[in-house]
Formats: sequence, structure tokens, C-alpha cells
Amino acid sequence: RKEVEQDPGPFNVPEGATVAFNCTYSNSASQSFFWYRQDCRKEPKLLMSVYSSGNEDGRFTAQLNRASQYISLLIRDSKLSDSATYLCVVIGGTTDSWGKLQFGAGTQVVVTP
Amino acid sequence: EAGVAQSPRYKIIEKRQSVAFWCNPISGHATLYWYQQILGQGPKLLIQFQNNGVVDDSQLPKDRFSAERLKGVDSTLKIQPAKLEDSAVYLCASSHRGVSLYEQYFGPGTRLTVT
Repeated sequence: RKEVEQDPGPFNVPEGATVAFNCTYSNSASQSFFWYRQDCRKEPKLLMSVYSSGNEDGRFTAQLNRASQYISLLIRDSKLSDSATYLCVVIGGTTDSWGKLQFGAGTQVVVTP
Repeated sequence: EAGVAQSPRYKIIEKRQSVAFWCNPISGHATLYWYQQILGQGPKLLIQFQNNGVVDDSQLPKDRFSAERLKGVDSTLKIQPAKLEDSAVYLCASSHRGVSLYEQYFGPGTRLTVT
């Protein structure tokens, strides 16, 4: 089983609609979580951190569910410019994984007019 | 503020040849990362430096890959000899843990094709 798993998609979303997707992780002691965005043939860029209480940044909402070991990202009022691959990042928290970063393979989102 | 610089942007080599990539992180960033991203996959961490010391190189294929960051600033990643499966984008990233723990800034990457 991969340490960080994502549905590769693509999620085809009409402009203005809402889309949500998850990222599951296997290490229950993981300490930090992030969502990165990667446009086609570009480098990843930090979208937002994921806090235990959940957090929102404009149209983007991130949630953490430690009991079920997943994080989620919800995009409201989708824009064409939201089309990208969304990568989740999990930071290890056990003695032998402390500070180690694991990227998921990404979820592709395609927003259509 | 200048971003992470990488060169070259593209490289095509034949298998069994050698290649080197260069990275200059954002000024003041103590932590530097090299990632390998194969098409359709997420970035895989190859090596992480804190200043000029190695923090994690557990996924670096040490029989053919090497990396150094001698003065704690810029870094080189070398592959010798290259294999077909090394075709990927090699991303360099840096972070300043004191400001935003684990927020990484990525360079544009070097796209390597091994034929």
C-alpha cells in the first residue's frame, strides 16, 4: 500500500460548480499536511496548509480527518484557472519518519466552460 | 525576491552517459531538496540537505546518483551512468523552516530524457 494515495481523476467540473477530493495516508503519526497545486509542465506551488480544525482560503477549504486518516480539498465556484493537478503532501511524525515528506501522485481537476 | 534557479532546463543524453544538474536556492533558505518526478507521478524525494549536511537520502539510488551542497548554498545532482528509467523531471526546492515550516519553493525543474 502506498503511504499517500490520491484518486488520479480527472475530475471534470463545470465552471461555477463545487468539487471535492481526498488524500489518504497510511502513517497514523503523520504530523503535517499540505495541498500543492501543479500546472501542466510547471513546478508545484503551495496552495494551503491543512490544520486540524480545518481551514479556508477564499474558495478553497481543507479538512483533516485523523481518525480515518485522510485530508480533503474542496473548491467552490470553480474557475477555469483552477484546472491543475492537486498534490497532497504528508510529513512523517514517527521516530524513523520524522520530517520526511511524502507526495501523493496528484488529482487532476479539469474545469470546463 | 529571486526564486529557486535550476539549470539546464532540458537535457537529452544516451544511456550510460553522465549528467549533472545545478540548483541555487532562495537566498537564506537553509533546507534544500532534490526530487524526481516521473510523468504521471508525484515528486519523489531523492535527498534533503540542511545547510551542507544530509538530512535524508534514503531514496537516493546511491550506486548511480550523487549530490552535494559543499558551501551550504547551491547544489549539484549527478547521475552516472544514466539509465532509461531515469527519464524524469528533476525538481529542486528550498525552504526556510524558521518562517514557514515545510513550505517549499520549487524551481522550474530540469527535464531529462535518456535515450
